[in-house]
Amino acid sequence: AQRVTQPEKLLSVFKGAPVELKCNYSYSGSPELFWYVQYSRQRLQLLLRHISRESIKGFTADLNKGETSFHLKKPFAQEEDSAMYYCALPPRGAQKLVFGQGTRLTINP
Amino acid sequence: DSGVTQTPKHLITATGQRVTLRCSPRSGDLSVYWYQQSLDQGLQFLIQYYNGEERAKGNILERFSAQQFPDLHSELNLSSLELGDSALYFCASSASGRTDTQYFGPGTRLTVL
Repeated sequence: AQRVTQPEKLLSVFKGAPVELKCNYSYSGSPELFWYVQYSRQRLQLLLRHISRESIKGFTADLNKGETSFHLKKPFAQEEDSAMYYCALPPRGAQKLVFGQGTRLTINP
Repeated sequence: DSGVTQTPKHLITATGQRVTLRCSPRSGDLSVYWYQQSLDQGLQFLIQYYNGEERAKGNILERFSAQQFPDLHSELNLSSLELGDSALYFCASSASGRTDTQYFGPGTRLTVL
């Protein structure tokens, strides 16, 4: 079964420090991967999508098929980055999204 | 603003009751998805509709049902409510039935007392 694992429930870094949120997946073939962000009491927003290879709000993510990972990175964290981050993928042949458990990122001033 | 709207924002009800959650997709989107977000289960897919037809089912209880109307809005009906049904219910929409980006609504927070 296709699965997404975010091993860190909580992650705390200082402002200006680099950030890496981990995402590992289980999928045979080439997955379509997404990162969504949920700010306090708000809706989930698409942060970035693997296929578009864009950088949004300074975040990037690279698909590593060898390690089956899609880690989210930002070189310099900002306080407004504090939020819940979810990695997700659609299982083969489906459009629904399977989400990881999420990582709560806190940026300390 | 992603354009997906959900009503109501909050709902407080008692065990055994029935409620209806409503979702309007982004203009032009044909696919609607319902997800449940709870502290212990995380974000779980419930059901998907595409252009009025049920497309996929996930971890949806038999007490729950949904439909998508000709104007493409969708309703999620939850009946015989239990304490454990308390959660945030999100609707998302996408352009088609393929792997398009899903855009989420603000959610309806359901509290069952």
